[in-house]
Amino acid sequence: GAVVSQHPSWVICKSGTSVKIECRSLDFQATTMFWYRQFPKQSLMLMATSNEGSKATYEQGVEKDKFLINHASLTLSTLTVTSAHPEDSSFYICSARSQGRTNYGYTFGSGTRLTVV
Amino acid sequence: AQSVTQPDIHITVSEGASLELRCNYSYGATPYLFWYVQSPGQGLQLLLKYFSGDTLVQGIKGFEAEFKRSQSSFNLRKPSVHWSDAAEYFCAVGRGTGGFKTIFGAGTRLFVKA
Repeated sequence: GAVVSQHPSWVICKSGTSVKIECRSLDFQATTMFWYRQFPKQSLMLMATSNEGSKATYEQGVEKDKFLINHASLTLSTLTVTSAHPEDSSFYICSARSQGRTNYGYTFGSGTRLTVV
Repeated sequence: AQSVTQPDIHITVSEGASLELRCNYSYGATPYLFWYVQSPGQGLQLLLKYFSGDTLVQGIKGFEAEFKRSQSSFNLRKPSVHWSDAAEYFCAVGRGTGGFKTIFGAGTRLFVKA
């Protein structure tokens, strides 16, 4: 079945530094990937949609300059949290939809726990 | 605007008892509906999905859900709960063309008591 690998699983960084999170589709090509953010004990909030080879589409209220998304290939999307601050601490999850796949149930990565200290 | 409501923040069920998790949606067209499960600190796993056809959908791990258009509901059920079912459950609706963005409900935390 479709597998999405997300790396790292957790990361601790200092305030002001940048952190990159990778989302890879292992056995299929993902033309579209989604990035979500989940606060403790809350639901997932869609941050942005990334399409291979084009700019990401950000949801309202998400700072595109803070959360840089790159989808340079059909198997990799990255989310970079720039100049991270403690309020950026959260659980980030990606999901992917494969090219031509009509499952309509996207495959999710295992998530990345980001802690900014 | 599309939305998904899960009225129960948490539910406690005895092991072996039946389970029903409620989900109501608001969507302007025929919805694509999903149920996902999330264990602590983990990603999401798809339990089942509804696109069209038979309104009773069977999923993995013995779960099923019934789409009721008249009630705008998509409740998740399981006849006999196991301790390993304790987790967070999210109902979701797919929206948009092409990309099918997913909108999630707030989630229901399931506790299973021995």
